[in-house]
Amino acid sequence: KAGVTQTPRYLIKTRGQQVTLSCSPISGHRSVSWYQQTPGQGLQFLFEYFSETQRNKGNFPGRFSGRQFSNSRSEMNVSTLELGDSALYLCASSPYINTGELFFGEGSRLTVL
Amino acid sequence: AQSVTQLDSHVSVSEGTPVLLRCNYSSSYSPSLFWYVQHPNKGLQLLLKYTSAATLVKGINGFEAEFKKSETSFHLTKPSAHMSDAAEYFCVVSDLNTGTASKLTFGTGTRLQVTL
Repeated sequence: KAGVTQTPRYLIKTRGQQVTLSCSPISGHRSVSWYQQTPGQGLQFLFEYFSETQRNKGNFPGRFSGRQFSNSRSEMNVSTLELGDSALYLCASSPYINTGELFFGEGSRLTVL
Repeated sequence: AQSVTQLDSHVSVSEGTPVLLRCNYSSSYSPSLFWYVQHPNKGLQLLLKYTSAATLVKGINGFEAEFKKSETSFHLTKPSAHMSDAAEYFCVVSDLNTGTASKLTFGTGTRLQVTL
């Protein structure tokens, strides 16, 4: 069974631009969560989607948004990029909601110049 | 509010010697606790979980952790380190009681170095 797939793996943007990251969960997994990993703040929860609905949200500004499609694939978008948005963005999937057992992808590394 | 504190940012052991990575937790509810591992340039992988069943939890690759409520600890151990164990380890707490269990709270991580 294929794991969680994130695209693109690496990308470089400039301040003020926007970016869209994609995540394909493990087949059969309906919950998708997103995390941001930075050296300074560590791993922080962004949001979770289940059945195309956002179920939980972390403490990030409105520039960070996401969505989930009917096939459980998910995208997250960051608008008006700031230097501090440079991070590894990790997507995780699970078969159920309300579980701490997550299966993570390898991440999308965003660099903002 | 819940949180975890990883007491060591870096641990170095020799191959074949025991590993101890320390974690203390704070939670208003009976917590669910996990250890995740991240190898360089990789995503995170679940090592083991505690969800109020047995206090001694066995995970993958020979790792174990013991939940001690009186000490609010959940330390990760392995009897004999292998070079392939070199990675970053995260202690994680989650709350099953509020419907937000997938909203994991991560510790700051412990980098395990294994030397020959």
